[in-house]
Amino acid sequence: AQSVTQLDSQVPVFEEAPVELRCNYSSSVSVYLFWYVQYPNQGLQLLLKYLSGSTLVKGINGFEAEFNKSQTSFHLRKPSVHISDTAEYFCAVSESNDYKLSFGAGTTVTVRA
Amino acid sequence: DTAVSQTPKYLVTQMGNDKSIKCEQNLGHDTMYWYKQDSKKFLKIMFSYNNKELIINETVPNRFSPKSPDKAHLNLHINSLELGDSAVYFCASSQEGTVLFFGSGTQLSVL
Repeated sequence: AQSVTQLDSQVPVFEEAPVELRCNYSSSVSVYLFWYVQYPNQGLQLLLKYLSGSTLVKGINGFEAEFNKSQTSFHLRKPSVHISDTAEYFCAVSESNDYKLSFGAGTTVTVRA
Repeated sequence: DTAVSQTPKYLVTQMGNDKSIKCEQNLGHDTMYWYKQDSKKFLKIMFSYNNKELIINETVPNRFSPKSPDKAHLNLHINSLELGDSAVYFCASSQEGTVLFFGSGTQLSVL
């Protein structure tokens, strides 16, 4: 069974600074990887996904992530954050041909002026 | 037009009551899910239906019973509510188990 570890529970960052959120997964088979964002009092919105192909994945709002199979990682990056990026970020994994999506514990990003 | 909609958005009730949460998706997806988010924001899958058939049934008390009358609807009924059931419940849908689209959540408070 797959599992996800988000290495940082809280990440404070200044506006216009870069941010990286770390995610590692464990699985013995091929996986699909996702990052979701949850703004306060809202549902989850897909930021980006890796299903196959290029290991560098670009998503919405200027986010990107890189799939590293050897390190079983899928870290999320943004070169310059805005106040509006303050939210909870979740890394998630599912095994190919499996309908079960497992989430990490989440990383709270707080952007300060 | 909301893709995955769930009602109610807030649900406040007394211990021991029975309540239901409804979910509908208009994306034409074949799979629907219920997730529970606890007070620490941790998300855990509860159930999943594919074409009205139960395919995922995690370790959930049998007071929780999902029902899928058709592919576009998945309801969650909870009997004999307990304090520990307080959480945010999210409905989601997907096509063949790839990208999940989430509803905006139902915040359940059991007093």
